[in-house]
Amino acid sequence: EPEVTQTPSHQVTQMGQEVILRCVPISNHLYFYWYRQILGQKVEFLVSFYNNEISEKSEIFDDQFSVERPDGSNFTLKIRSTKLEDSAMYFCASSEERTQYFGPGTRLLVL
Amino acid sequence: KNEVEQSPQNLTAQEGEFITINCSYSVGISALHWLQQHPGGGIVSLFMLSSGKKKHGRLIATINIQEKHSSLHITASHPRDSAVYICAVYGPGGGADGLTFGKGTHLIIQP
Repeated sequence: EPEVTQTPSHQVTQMGQEVILRCVPISNHLYFYWYRQILGQKVEFLVSFYNNEISEKSEIFDDQFSVERPDGSNFTLKIRSTKLEDSAMYFCASSEERTQYFGPGTRLLVL
Repeated sequence: KNEVEQSPQNLTAQEGEFITINCSYSVGISALHWLQQHPGGGIVSLFMLSSGKKKHGRLIATINIQEKHSSLHITASHPRDSAVYICAVYGPGGGADGLTFGKGTHLIIQP
């Protein structure tokens, strides 16, 4: 069964460093999403992407964040200058029309 | 902004019991997801529904759009059902909408 994959599974970085989180959505899906979950809190929407552009973004998704679909398969989330409060689990999801399928997540720890 | 409330926050039950988890939201939606999150963090989609009722194995989900309420039921509960169950709602738009999540219900089924 097709699934969304994410790499790396864990990443530790120093405050101020740039990180790139990678996702491979399900191949025939058209919509792509990033969410984050700070430890002990609910999942929060960051951004959605369709037709090679951002469709919707939350107030969390500020200028420090960017997304890209550099080729036909990968979907990336870049955090330019990480802060301590960026420590969270980041989930990628994709959908063909409506039902979203989630990747296993990348646990990011900013020190 | 949609407010998604789940109840109960925590639920401990004995194996075999019938489980009900409730979700209410403040603003009209186009569809709703029930998701399952295991201790490792991964999120699995259980149901996506926009009206009526859906059944999959021992799981049943219902939604009342007019009352802005959905329920997830588990029949003949089993310890492997222990997880966090999350309700998440779509906005009124199309497939590019990000989900708004509830805080989740922590379910423990004791043998």
